[in-house]
Amino acid sequence: EVQLVESGGGLVKPGESLRLSCAASGFTFSNYVMHWVRQAPGKGLEWVSYISASTSYKYYADSMKGRFTVSRDNAKHSLYLQMNSLRAEDTAVYYCARGDHCSGGVCRDYGLDVWGQGTTVTVSS
Amino acid sequence: EIVLTQSPATLSLSPGERATLSCRASQSVSIYLAWYQQKPGQAPRLLIYDASNRATGIPARFSGSGSGTDFTLTISSLEPEDFAVYYCQQRGNWPPSLTFGGGTKVEIK
Repeated sequence: EVQLVESGGGLVKPGESLRLSCAASGFTFSNYVMHWVRQAPGKGLEWVSYISASTSYKYYADSMKGRFTVSRDNAKHSLYLQMNSLRAEDTAVYYCARGDHCSGGVCRDYGLDVWGQGTTVTVSS
Repeated sequence: EIVLTQSPATLSLSPGERATLSCRASQSVSIYLAWYQQKPGQAPRLLIYDASNRATGIPARFSGSGSGTDFTLTISSLEPEDFAVYYCQQRGNWPPSLTFGGGTKVEIK
C-alpha cells in the first residue's frame, strides 16, 4: 500500500524548534518530488516547501524562508521538515504530499496524489 | 505570484443535483491546474490534474475543464459523500511553488 505517515508534531512555545518526519512506503521514494503543505485551524491549504527527488533543489514559501529547512533521506524513505523560530501563526496541521514522478531525469506533474494523515503543530506560550 | 480565486465560497445543493465550481487564476496557468476534495478531519484527496484528467480511482461524475485562467470542476450528480470542501491548485514553472485557491464548501441544502 502506498502510504505517507507524518510524525513529530506537538505543543511548543514561540521561538522554539520542532522537526517533523514523513515516512514513505509502498513506492520508490527516490523517484518523487515531495512537498509539505499546512492548514491552520479552520483555514485553507498553504504550501510550505518543495524538495526535488535527488535533494538538489529546495524551495520555500516566503513566510518560511530562513526558518524552515526541508530535507530527505532516500535510503530511509523519509522526508523531514526542521522548523525553527516558531511563531503562533505556524500553528497548523502539517501534511507531507507526493509530487512529480521523476524518471531518467524527466519529471512529470500528476498533482499531489498521495498525502499523509497530517501532524499537528501548536505554537503557544 | 499567481493568485487563484474560487467561487462561490459556499454552494448549497441537494443530493442528485449538479455542482459547478469555479477557479480563476490571476494569470494563465495553461492546463496546469489540479482539484482536491477535503472532508473534515481528513487529508485532501486529488481529484483532477492537468485541468481535466481524473486521478486514479476518482468516479466519472467528477470532471474538470478549462485552460488559461478559467477552470471548472463539475460534479454531475451529487452523492452524499461528495459534500466537502474543494480546492484548486496550480504550480509555478520555476521555482516550483504551489498555490491553492481559498476553497469552495459544498454543503447539503
